[in-house]
Amino acid sequence: AQSVAQPEDQVNVAEGNPLTVKCTYSVSGNPYLFWYVQYPNRGLQFLLKYITGDNLVKGSYGFEAEFNKSQTSFHLKKPSALVSDSALYFCAVRDPPTGGFKTIFGAGTRLFVKA
Amino acid sequence: ETGVTQTPRHLVMGMTNKKSLKCEQHLGHNAMYWYKQSAKKPLELMFVYSLEERVENNSVPSRFSPECPNSSHLFLHLHTLQPEDSALYLCASSQGASTGELFFGEGSRLTVL
Repeated sequence: AQSVAQPEDQVNVAEGNPLTVKCTYSVSGNPYLFWYVQYPNRGLQFLLKYITGDNLVKGSYGFEAEFNKSQTSFHLKKPSALVSDSALYFCAVRDPPTGGFKTIFGAGTRLFVKA
Repeated sequence: ETGVTQTPRHLVMGMTNKKSLKCEQHLGHNAMYWYKQSAKKPLELMFVYSLEERVENNSVPSRFSPECPNSSHLFLHLHTLQPEDSALYLCASSQGASTGELFFGEGSRLTVL
């Protein structure tokens, strides 16, 4: 069965410092991996995805993520955090051979960026 | 209007009421979804429609009844809900099931008294 783990409920970082939000996954085949962000009282917004190819994918707002097959990880990164990056971040996985239309989400990691 | 639009944004209902949540997508997508977001829980997939046919139904209680009259509209009909059904209900759409990311509406915040 497919699953996603976000080991940190909260990440705190100072503005201007690099940030990392961790994600590990478990699927039976080759996964499709996604990151979404949710601001207060809003729906989720797509940030980036890994389908195939280059392990480093770049997305919206300067975010990037690295797919690591051996570690089954897909950590979200940004070189220099902004206060406006403070939000709830969700990692998600889809396992095309078995998952069909199911996108499974992690529990979310709250990012606080301090000025 | 663009994207995915959900109405109402907020809904308060009693346990004996009947109400509906509406979702409309203007993206030309062919799949639509209902997710439930409760505090401190992962998003729960409730229903998926592809080309107006239900393709996923994740053991959701019958007091929730989805309807997809066409590829642009999705409804969630609510009847005799329980207080534990209070949550943010998110609608999403995608182009197909494989590589397409989900586009979410802003959600309908439901409170059941």
